[in-house]
Amino acid sequence: DAKTTQPNSMESNEEEPVHLPCNHSTISGTDYIHWYRQLPSQGPEYVIHGLTSNVNNRMASLAIAEDRKSSTLILHRATLRDAAVYYCILSRAGAQKLVFGQGTRLTINP
Amino acid sequence: DVKVTQSSRYLVKRTGEKVFLECVQDMDHENMFWYRQDPGLGLRLIYFSYDVKMKEKGDIPEGYSVSREKKERFSLILESASTNQTSMYLCASQTGAPPYEQYFGPGTRLTVT
Repeated sequence: DAKTTQPNSMESNEEEPVHLPCNHSTISGTDYIHWYRQLPSQGPEYVIHGLTSNVNNRMASLAIAEDRKSSTLILHRATLRDAAVYYCILSRAGAQKLVFGQGTRLTINP
Repeated sequence: DVKVTQSSRYLVKRTGEKVFLECVQDMDHENMFWYRQDPGLGLRLIYFSYDVKMKEKGDIPEGYSVSREKKERFSLILESASTNQTSMYLCASQTGAPPYEQYFGPGTRLTVT
């Protein structure tokens, strides 16, 4: 499985945008980029995924570099409820297993 | 919305007991997974299933077994619980087509004394 690298922790302020980076230099052409997050005392929840183009949904935006070796999850206006561990994961087409790393622990200051 | 439910949020069992953790999903997903999550070790895959009566070992299957008699239900069994199986157990259900999003239950925090 291709590996991802994320900062261990990040901090931001409420109502400000947050950019969570992820490096995946060994990504292959068929790998999807997934983001999940885990709120305290809950199971992980799916946030967004992409393949080549930038993606937007009601939770976040995903910006994918042109060479696909990195991506950024963007929370446009952070709230206290966005404090969580964010996981960036690659999945190969046809391979259903997801490998969770340590993720980035995001702290939001009021 | 996809719903994945787990039979208990908290469970306390004694060493040597047989423990059943139940997981039910309501989205007709083919794929289901059991993970455990421990501080500093992240989520580790125990077993998964791609279909009824089908199972495959994950990364840490020792001491566990699973059962999938119906599509919506995936059970994790600890044949003889031990203290090193004290953990948070998470079940997930997954779409059967790319990009294979996984939907997780709330987790069961199991303590073995």
